[in-house]
Amino acid sequence: NAGVTQTPKFRVLKTGQSMTLLCAQDMNHEYMYWYRQDPGMGLRLIHYSVGEGTTAKGEVPDGYNVSRLKKQNFLLGLESAAPSQTSVYFCASRSGGAYNEQFFGPGTRLTVL
Amino acid sequence: EDKVVQSPLSLVVHEGDTVTLNCSYEVTNFRSLLWYKQEKKAPTFLFMLTSSGIEKKSGRLSSILDKKELFSILNITATQTGDSAIYLCAVAPAGYSGQNFVFGPGTRLSVLP
Repeated sequence: NAGVTQTPKFRVLKTGQSMTLLCAQDMNHEYMYWYRQDPGMGLRLIHYSVGEGTTAKGEVPDGYNVSRLKKQNFLLGLESAAPSQTSVYFCASRSGGAYNEQFFGPGTRLTVL
Repeated sequence: EDKVVQSPLSLVVHEGDTVTLNCSYEVTNFRSLLWYKQEKKAPTFLFMLTSSGIEKKSGRLSSILDKKELFSILNITATQTGDSAIYLCAVAPAGYSGQNFVFGPGTRLSVLP
């Protein structure tokens, strides 16, 4: 099992450019999450999904969109990148049930100039 | 608003020392508390705590939860340089059906040889 994978690992964008981050999991997990991690602020939830075809907003959703067309994939889009979106982005997934932990991908380091 | 606070935010010790990391929380309808270790990339799961006073132990690491005083501690005995990492505390509120874990800012532990 590859677990949770993220593509790309690094990316540099100019302000106003768009991009999509891909998260894939091979554990048949129902729930998937996108977080951003900034120094001193821990992990903040951007969007999440409780199943194929469903998405919901997290704590910091502005400037991002997501889609979950297939159970194993969760895409995070930036339509018009801003320097404030410079961060490390983590995807996570977990199986259903109340007492299951999240499994994290390796992260994507995004820099917006 | 649900909140998780960790202290200290940063800690430097020498190999062989024992450290205690703290996590306090304010959440509506607590369900579980989780500890993660984050080295260079993805956070990896350490413990999940749901009941007060029951210690979870894995090698030199142990953790305990106090649901009355709303905190948890993570102890690391005989520290090694490989323990250097960010330790994240997260809380899952009850009524949790795939929704967010609330993360604290993390404690950055540096273990010097």
